[in-house]
Amino acid sequence: EVKLLESGGGLVQPGGSMRLSCAASGFTFTDFYMYWIRQPAGKAPEWLGFIRNKANGYTTEYNPSVKGRFTISRDNTQNMLYLQMNTLRAEDTATYYCARSSLYWGQGVMVTVSS
Amino acid sequence: DIVMTQTPSSQAVSAGEKVTMSCKSSQSLLYSENKKNYLAWYQQKPGQSPKLLISWASTRESGVPDRFIGSGSGTDFTLTISSVQAEDLAVYYCEQYYDTPFTFGSGTKLEIK
Repeated sequence: EVKLLESGGGLVQPGGSMRLSCAASGFTFTDFYMYWIRQPAGKAPEWLGFIRNKANGYTTEYNPSVKGRFTISRDNTQNMLYLQMNTLRAEDTATYYCARSSLYWGQGVMVTVSS
Repeated sequence: DIVMTQTPSSQAVSAGEKVTMSCKSSQSLLYSENKKNYLAWYQQKPGQSPKLLISWASTRESGVPDRFIGSGSGTDFTLTISSVQAEDLAVYYCEQYYDTPFTFGSGTKLEIK
C-alpha cells in the first residue's frame, strides 16, 4: 500500500525558513517522480514542483512562483522527500502535500506564516 | 502558464440528477504525437486530500464509480456525474499536466439539495 506522510509544518515568522519532510512507503521510491503541491484554505491547489526519478537523474522543476525560494530534494536511502522553504511570506500559508504522481497524495501538513 | 477556467463555481443538485461541469484551458492540452489530452479531474471532500478521479481527460481511475464521466479534447473538457449521490458532495478541480507549471482550475463546488 502506498503511503505518504508529511511532517514539519507549523508556525513560522515572515522571512523565516522551514523544511517539510515526506516519508514514503509501499513502492520503489527511486522509480517515481515526487511532487509538492500546496493549497491555501478555501482555494485551489497550486503545483510547486517535482523531482524526477532515478532514470531521469533526480532533476527538479519548479513553479516560477516559488523558484529560487523553495528547493525540493530526496533521500533515496531513507525514502524521504523534502521541501526546503526560505524567505517565507504570508501568502505561503497553506496546507502542503507531497504526492506520487497524480494518484497518491499525503494527508497534508499546515504551514502558517505569521508574526 | 496555462490558465484553467472552471464553471460554474458552485452548483446545487438533488440526488439522482445529472450534473455537468466545465473546464477550459487557455491552450490545447492535446499532444499530437500520442493523441492524449493531459487533463485530470479531482474530487476533494471536506477535510480530505484531493482524490484523482479521471486522467487523460476520460480515463477513470480504478475504483471510481462509473457515474463519473470525463469528456472533451483540446481546450474544452467536461466532467459529468450521471446520477449524483449524497456522497458526491465535494469540490471538483481540473488540472493540466501538459506543461509546467502544472495548473489547476478554481474548482466547482457541488452541493446536494
